[in-house]
Amino acid sequence: NAGVTQTPKFQVLKTGQSMTLQCAQDMNHNSMYWYRQDPGMGLRLIYYSASEGTTDKGEVPNGYNVSRLNKREFSLRLESAAPSQTSVYFCASSELLRLLTDTQYFGPGTRLTVL
Amino acid sequence: DAKTTQPPSMDCAEGRAANLPCNHSTISGNEYVYWYRQIHSQGPQYIIHGLKNNETNEMASLIITEDRKSSTLILPHATLRDTAVYYCIVRKEYGNKLVFGAGTILRVKS
Repeated sequence: NAGVTQTPKFQVLKTGQSMTLQCAQDMNHNSMYWYRQDPGMGLRLIYYSASEGTTDKGEVPNGYNVSRLNKREFSLRLESAAPSQTSVYFCASSELLRLLTDTQYFGPGTRLTVL
Repeated sequence: DAKTTQPPSMDCAEGRAANLPCNHSTISGNEYVYWYRQIHSQGPQYIIHGLKNNETNEMASLIITEDRKSSTLILPHATLRDTAVYYCIVRKEYGNKLVFGAGTILRVKS
């Protein structure tokens, strides 16, 4: 099992460019999440998908869109990148958000710099 | 969700027990205490969780006070690889997302 995988690992964009961050999990999890982490800070939830076919906004959704392509894959899109979106992006998955003891498993992260 | 308060940093000698405190004085009856850690440049890793009883697994022990207003994560024999940021999170049992605070930076020193 690879767990949660993310591509790319690193990316540099110019202001205004667009890109999609890819995330996939092979644990047959129902719920998936996108977080961002700025230097010296905790993680903040951008969007999540409680189950296939549903997506919801998290704490900081502005400037992002998501697609739950199928049960395995959850992508994050930046339509017009801004320097304020320079961050490390983590994808996570869990068996089912509604479970009593749902535990999230995280990918290795994508380091994005917007110039 | 109840807010948590953790010290910003702690040091621990290698081989000794690391005791990481967390205050959650506004916790309500159906909220669980979760601990995650994040080793430098990696994604967060689940450690342990509990409701009101003390819990132990292969990584750590979780001690929750009787009034549930605080808890302590114990790493029984800390190693250099345990150097990380440790997050204490309080979460309702259903349908609620993890909210990460700043955490505690634990430095294990030889």
